[in-house]
Parts: sequence; structure tokens; C-alpha cells
Amino acid sequence: NAGVTQTPKFRVLKTGQSMTLLCAQDMNHEYMYWYRQDPGMGLRLIHYSVGEGTTAKGEVPDGYNVSRLKKQNFLLGLESAAPSQTSVYFCASSYGLAGGLLEQYFGPGTRLTVT
Amino acid sequence: QQQVKQSPQSLIVQKGGISIINCAYENTAFDYFPWYQQFPGKGPALLIAIRPDVSEKKEGRFTISFNKSAKQFSLHIMDSQPGDSATYFCAASSHGNTPLVFGKGTRLSVIA
Repeated sequence: NAGVTQTPKFRVLKTGQSMTLLCAQDMNHEYMYWYRQDPGMGLRLIHYSVGEGTTAKGEVPDGYNVSRLKKQNFLLGLESAAPSQTSVYFCASSYGLAGGLLEQYFGPGTRLTVT
Repeated sequence: QQQVKQSPQSLIVQKGGISIINCAYENTAFDYFPWYQQFPGKGPALLIAIRPDVSEKKEGRFTISFNKSAKQFSLHIMDSQPGDSATYFCAASSHGNTPLVFGKGTRLSVIA
């Protein structure tokens, strides 16, 4: 099992460009998440999904859109990239939201730089 | 408003020493408290977790201590090793209704 995979691993964008980050999981998890990690800020939740076809906003959703058309995939889109979106992006998945089902499995991350 | 406050931001410990990282929370509805470990260039991974019905949970050299009345929980790493050097995140969730809320992380360096 590959677990949680993310593509691409690195990307450099110019301000105003758009891109999509892809997350895939092969564990049949219902729940998927997108986080951003910035120095001194910890992990901040951007958007999450509680199942195929559903999405919900997290702590820092502005400037991002997501889609969950297939259970195994969760896409994060930046329509018009800004330097403030320079960050490391992590995708995660879990069986559920409760107790022991809540363990989140993280991907290896995507390092995005917006110039 | 930060729901889970973690301290210290960074920590340097001698090999063989005890590393202690603390977290505090305000939301009394939180009922699941995990710790995640992240090595450089990798995603975080679950290290150990506790529910509020126990005051302590131990797994090898790693122990969570939980104080419900003080709304605090801490991670203790006994006999710290250079291989424990990583960033540690505490987190919390409530009744399975919302995703985990993470602390800001502690960068631990264990020096020989």
C-alpha cells in the first residue's frame, strides 16, 4: 500500500498563476484533509471532506478551492496564487472523526513557492 | 483564537535526558488528545494518544500525562535519543464532530 501520496512534490509559481495539488489515498478512508504548514504556525486546516462529493471549510480556506469527485482523491486548487500562499502543503486521510478512528495518515507534502 | 496552546516552541535536551512538551486547552468538550511526530522533510505521524478517562498512557519511552481539571496534557520522552529529534505536535478533538485541532509544534533537538 502506498498510503497517502501527493503530487507534485515541489512547485514554483508566479503570482496570479493557478495550479492544482493532487492527493490520493489507497486505504479506503472516508475523511480527507488539506493542511498548510508554515514556520511557527503549526498545521492549519484549509479544507476537509467527510466523504465523496462533500467538502467543508477549515481554519484558513480563503484563496483555495477543493474537490472530492472520487473517494480516493482530494484536489486542492489555487486559482490565483499569492506570495502569502508560499508554504508546505500536507494532505491527510482518516477512517473517521471519532477517537481511534481519528488517526490521520499524512502524505509527504508539497513545497510550494509563489514569487 | 488558538484552541490548543503548546510550549515550548523549541527544546534542546542532552542524550539520555527527559524531554517534556506541554499543551493546554480551553474547550472542555475535547475528548481525544493525540501527539504527532514529524521528521524533517516528512509528513507528521501519530505517536501516541490518550482519552480523558485516564491520567497517563505509556508506550515505550513515550508517556502522555493528562490533567483534566487543569485542562493540560504533556508528552514525556524518557532516555531521549538523537533519533527523537523531530517536531512534535499536540492535538485535540471533540466528540468526533470536528477535525483535529493542532498546537503550533515543538522542535526537539537531542544532542549527544
